[in-house]
Amino acid sequence: LAKTTQPISMDSYEGQEVNITCSHNNIATNDYITWYQQFPSQGPRFIIQGYKTKVTNEVASLFIPADRKSSTLSLPRVSLSDTAVYYCLVGPGGATNKLIFGTGTLLAVQP
Amino acid sequence: NAGVTQTPKFQVLKTGQSMTLQCAQDMNHEYMSWYRQDPGMGLRLIHYSVGAGITDQGEVPNGYNVSRSTTEDFPLRLLSAAPSQTSVYFCASSYSATLNTEAFFGQGTRLTVV
Repeated sequence: LAKTTQPISMDSYEGQEVNITCSHNNIATNDYITWYQQFPSQGPRFIIQGYKTKVTNEVASLFIPADRKSSTLSLPRVSLSDTAVYYCLVGPGGATNKLIFGTGTLLAVQP
Repeated sequence: NAGVTQTPKFQVLKTGQSMTLQCAQDMNHEYMSWYRQDPGMGLRLIHYSVGAGITDQGEVPNGYNVSRSTTEDFPLRLLSAAPSQTSVYFCASSYSATLNTEAFFGQGTRLTVV
């Protein structure tokens, strides 16, 4: 499974757009890129998933360049409630469907 | 929908005791898994199941047993608790074991072994 690298922490202010980049140089052809969000004392929650180019939902956007060696999670106009750990996962949609979590990025949003 | 339900939410065990962490999902999901999360770390996969009657080991399976007799339930058994098993345990499920689908997590069980 492809290893991912993302910043340990990021700071932002309310109302700003936040971009968290994840590096996955060894991504395989059949790998998808998935982002999860985790609040303290809660289980992770799915945010967004993509394979290439751009994916957008009501919560975030995911940008994936043509070489797919990195991806960027974009959170528009963050609020205090977006303070959480964000995990970038890369893996195949294969028979095991295992999720391999790294240490994630702690996003701290300040007023 | 209840989603993924874990019980208990908190548990304190003495070294050497055994116990079962319960996990149930009501979404008819094929795939279920157990993770542990230690302070300041990401989640590590303990065991997983791709369907009733089928289980397999993840990254850190030692000291844990699982079974999957029904689609809904996936209990995790600690055979002889050790302080190193102090952690927060999360159960997850997803619709398919063969497609890259969204995983739903329970609220976690905080286990302390003294």
